[in-house]
Amino acid sequence: SAVISQKPSRDICQRGTSLTIQCQVDSQVTMMFWYRQQPGQSLTLIATANQGSEATYESGFVIDKFPISRPNLTFSTLTVSNMSPEDSSIYLCSVAVADTQYFGPGTRLTVL
Amino acid sequence: GIQVEQSPPDLILQEGANSTLRCNFSDSVNNLQWFHQNPWGQLINLFYIPSGTKQNGRLSATTVATERYSLLYISSSQTTDSGVYFCAVERPGSSNTGKLIFGQGTTLQVKP
Repeated sequence: SAVISQKPSRDICQRGTSLTIQCQVDSQVTMMFWYRQQPGQSLTLIATANQGSEATYESGFVIDKFPISRPNLTFSTLTVSNMSPEDSSIYLCSVAVADTQYFGPGTRLTVL
Repeated sequence: GIQVEQSPPDLILQEGANSTLRCNFSDSVNNLQWFHQNPWGQLINLFYIPSGTKQNGRLSATTVATERYSLLYISSSQTTDSGVYFCAVERPGSSNTGKLIFGQGTTLQVKP
């Protein structure tokens, strides 16, 4: 299994600013995943973070908007840059361990 | 890309009732998982079930891979079962990389 923590749990931000979300896992994993859940919607994969290499982004997501760091095998950060109200969502960190996907508690972001 | 459709979108049950949730997917998959998102937003993995049948307490799941659907059974429902149930699959050709495509979910409300 895997236990994942995220910081902050929630935040309210002003338009045009940036927020960095931290994700910590209790075991070493090769890949960490960042998902977004817009209000009342399902989850969409933003990017995959590999230690020692650049993150790979899904269609519709770009590095300039969502830069990701992966300094070691237990930690990753996702930055939401130049925020607009459309970025208001829950951002979730995830890992896969033995065919099972685990999710962090999420970061609930509101952009005014 | 692969399509994941869940039904029904919403379900209201009286405590003690049974229910069946369905997930249809448009292509063959190696990875299918069911999740429960509780009212506080936490996603919990229920089953990894690319094929066959599994049971865990009051919950069971069956995937018929050849016919591209999966069913989640909830028996003797309790108020704590309330929340959103998601089915998620991995892109065809992938091998449990953790990159999941989610359905739109079934929102379940269990009334006391």
